[in-house]
Amino acid sequence: GENVEQHPSTLSVQEGDSAVIKCTYSDSASNYFPWYKQELGKRPQLIIDIRSNVGEKKDQRIAVTLNKTAKHFSLHITETQPEDSAVYFCAASKAGTASKLTFGTGTRLQVTL
Amino acid sequence: DTEVTQTPKHLVMGMTNKKSLKCEQHMGHRAMYWYKQKAKKPPELMFVYSYEKLSINESVPSRFSPECPNSSLLNLHLHALQPEDSALYLCASSHFSGTDNSPLHFGNGTRLTVT
Repeated sequence: GENVEQHPSTLSVQEGDSAVIKCTYSDSASNYFPWYKQELGKRPQLIIDIRSNVGEKKDQRIAVTLNKTAKHFSLHITETQPEDSAVYFCAASKAGTASKLTFGTGTRLQVTL
Repeated sequence: DTEVTQTPKHLVMGMTNKKSLKCEQHMGHRAMYWYKQKAKKPPELMFVYSYEKLSINESVPSRFSPECPNSSLLNLHLHALQPEDSALYLCASSHFSGTDNSPLHFGNGTRLTVT
């Protein structure tokens, strides 16, 4: 089955700096890669996703890049703010599996003032 | 506001109890999911229903019994649980086309404690 590795496990940045979280996946058939943000005690919320026919996607301060050849994808957050502090999970799935997501282990992002 | 509603928010049950978790969505999604999340861990898939039929069971112990009465409702029946089953149980829903994946929309979860 699919295996998703995520690094780093914790990340501390100063407000205004950029943060990068990286994930690798094992199944070359995976073609959908969402990122979820989970604040303490709350539900995971989708922040951005990318499909394998696209190399990069941006939404305001958030961007995701995908390298299918190397089987890795990354989340980039620019101009970080304290409210970006949360646990971020990457995930992967393949078509026809009703969005059966395999999650990475998570990155705890702390944005300090 | 969450579009996937889960009840109850918190549940404490003994190992001999029988209880049920409930999930409801009105987004017209035809795929619904149960995930289990332990502290500081990612969500782990338990079950997937597609068009009200169980399509994925991730080798979950039989003390967890899912049910999908209709396209909007998903239940998880619990019986003879163990303390290690204590976790946050998340329900999610998504569109399902069979050829392309859609984002999951998660509910706020039920925090279950087994004593």
